[in-house]
Amino acid sequence: EVQLVESGGGLVQPGRSLRLSCAASGFTFDDYAMHWVRQAPGKGLEWVSGISWNSGNIVYADSVKGRFTISRDNAKNSLYLQMNSLRAEDTALYYCVREGTITAERPFDYWGQGTLVTVSS
Amino acid sequence: DIQMTQSPSSLSASVGDRVTITCRASQSISSYLNWYQQKPGKAPKLLIYAASSLQSGVPSRFSGSGSGTDFTLTISSLQPEDFATYYCQQSYRTLHTFGPGTKLEIK
Repeated sequence: EVQLVESGGGLVQPGRSLRLSCAASGFTFDDYAMHWVRQAPGKGLEWVSGISWNSGNIVYADSVKGRFTISRDNAKNSLYLQMNSLRAEDTALYYCVREGTITAERPFDYWGQGTLVTVSS
Repeated sequence: DIQMTQSPSSLSASVGDRVTITCRASQSISSYLNWYQQKPGKAPKLLIYAASSLQSGVPSRFSGSGSGTDFTLTISSLQPEDFATYYCQQSYRTLHTFGPGTKLEIK
């Protein structure tokens, strides 16, 4: 059974940093690209960042570029999101998401339950 | 970036109704369009990928169609468990984008 379990969320002051982790199990982690998607309270889904299976291709939403860094450790079956210079608008539930390979359209086929990040003084 | 819009933003319907939700992309995305269902307090769930392919385990009352810039999600006969928020997503560009969502409520 595919499982994605996020951790590392919490309350942080504006301007500070936080590192999210995602532990993957139930599949061959290094066969898949992975992403972070966030959802502010009461709002819609926002794609944040994605990383290819070998970390060779990394992309970011404009809203986080230069502040967030995505990475992965295939030996540990883990995905990470280093978040620096946090702002109030980064407050959201952060989901770890697997990019499927069933078709070229690469849907997001498995989602974790999310970890909540609250940026407030 | 590719912008996604959805209509309507909310919809009231009854059990047994046929419902259609529309998604439009700001440029052609071929069939790189996926649909997700999200219930309150839960993670999104993949329903339809590649515009019209049903994800394994998803009931056949759900269907998707379209290509290019215009897409639809149809629920042929609403069931109580279908009341949720639905999002479209483009995966044509590596900078993925979601639509703003359509909240489907019980009439």
